[in-house]
Amino acid sequence: AQTVTQSQPEMSVQEAETVTLSCTYDTSESDYYLFWYKQPPSRQMILVIRQEAYKQQNATENRFSVNFQKAAKSFSLKISDSQLGDAAMYFCAYRSAGVPRLTFGEGTQLTVNP
Amino acid sequence: GAGVSQSPSNKVTEKGKDVELRCDPISGHTALYWYRQSLGQGLEFLIYFQGNSAPDKSGLPSDRFSAERTGGSVSTLTIQRTQQEDSAVYLCASSLDRDSTDTQYFGPGTRLTVL
Repeated sequence: AQTVTQSQPEMSVQEAETVTLSCTYDTSESDYYLFWYKQPPSRQMILVIRQEAYKQQNATENRFSVNFQKAAKSFSLKISDSQLGDAAMYFCAYRSAGVPRLTFGEGTQLTVNP
Repeated sequence: GAGVSQSPSNKVTEKGKDVELRCDPISGHTALYWYRQSLGQGLEFLIYFQGNSAPDKSGLPSDRFSAERTGGSVSTLTIQRTQQEDSAVYLCASSLDRDSTDTQYFGPGTRLTVL
């Protein structure tokens, strides 16, 4: 079975600074997808960014980018120019190509200090 | 357009009672998912629907849990004889189809508290 590990229960960053959230995963599959979801206090999970395992290029969405290291099974999220609205719980998630369910990590609570 | 909606937003019940949680997916989405978020277990998959059928129920924790989907739209998650360990936030998500390229969009969840 696949597992996803987020080793940082909490992180903090100063507004306008850069922060990196870590995620590692374990799988024997070669075709899969990785995601970062954000969960603010409203509870609604919002997709931040996704990465296809077959793509070597790291995904980028505005201030959010990932560092995908397939051999190391590592998938970190970098948030640049952090904003107060970025404060939330961030979840890393894995999905097999042929199986729709998501497997989530434990989450990292991000605090943004003004 | 409207996103995934869930009702009720919060539910408090007594141990032993049955509860029903409802999910309205995004219009046109054929795939629907239920997840549970609890302090002890984190975020875990419960069940997935493609249309009205459930190809994957492997995450349901016991036979007290069941779910159905009618008309390829609304889904109901039922928990019978609730226990305190059922207290959690139940999240529903939908996607256009089951393809791996399809993003899962989540609802705001139902917070269930079993006294």
